[in-house]
Amino acid sequence: QSVLTQPPSASGTPGQRVTISCSGSSSNIGSNTVNWYQQLPGTAPKLLIYSNNQRPSGVPDRFSGSKSGTSASLAISGLQSEDEADYYCAAWDDSLNAFYVFGTGTKVTVL
Amino acid sequence: QVQLQESGPGLVKPSGTLSLTCAVSGGSISSSNWWSWVRQPPGKGLEWIGEIYHSGSTNYNPSLKSRVTISVDKSKNQFSLKLSSVTAADTAVYYCARAFVLVGYYYYYMDVWGKGTTVTVSS
Repeated sequence: QSVLTQPPSASGTPGQRVTISCSGSSSNIGSNTVNWYQQLPGTAPKLLIYSNNQRPSGVPDRFSGSKSGTSASLAISGLQSEDEADYYCAAWDDSLNAFYVFGTGTKVTVL
Repeated sequence: QVQLQESGPGLVKPSGTLSLTCAVSGGSISSSNWWSWVRQPPGKGLEWIGEIYHSGSTNYNPSLKSRVTISVDKSKNQFSLKLSSVTAADTAVYYCARAFVLVGYYYYYMDVWGKGTTVTVSS
């Protein structure tokens, strides 16, 4: 049911910059702010970025978010081994039956 | 520090009703937050199920709306999920989460999550 599209995978070596895209529509990303969640293996999701580009307390500044039109992106600068995880974008969708929608998810692998 | 803890049966029979509870500690369920349920089938992505406010107002995922009921018990500081007519496709890890909502739903995010509970639908 996901209406936010992400690449299934991304990878990089330690220290590299990795970017994950999230494509939506006018009823979700185009109308509301975007959030990103990080899910480490076997754990619950964790809020990583909220309101397009804000980091909760404790999230390293190597994580950054941006939004333009109906797309958003998450960048990880200075990739570290502990960043290997699944990443999901999400936004509220204002369509006729409003609901919160998650992206399809991106698995980040540190080579 | 608000913490959430899911509880409920780990095994539900097909056509039965899945029932889970999320206990809220370290804060009040009557705060200005919404309280949500999210699920994740094995090896798949996240799916928002629905949410409730302490007043009893609810919003549900359109794809599940006909089978979902979310309720709140302010006296116990907890909220609950019922999903009826379950099938194997409802097998998943179920998470409860606290949602921050502002300016309609322009700002909406889940900042506190439970650890999740696995529910298997099988006879």
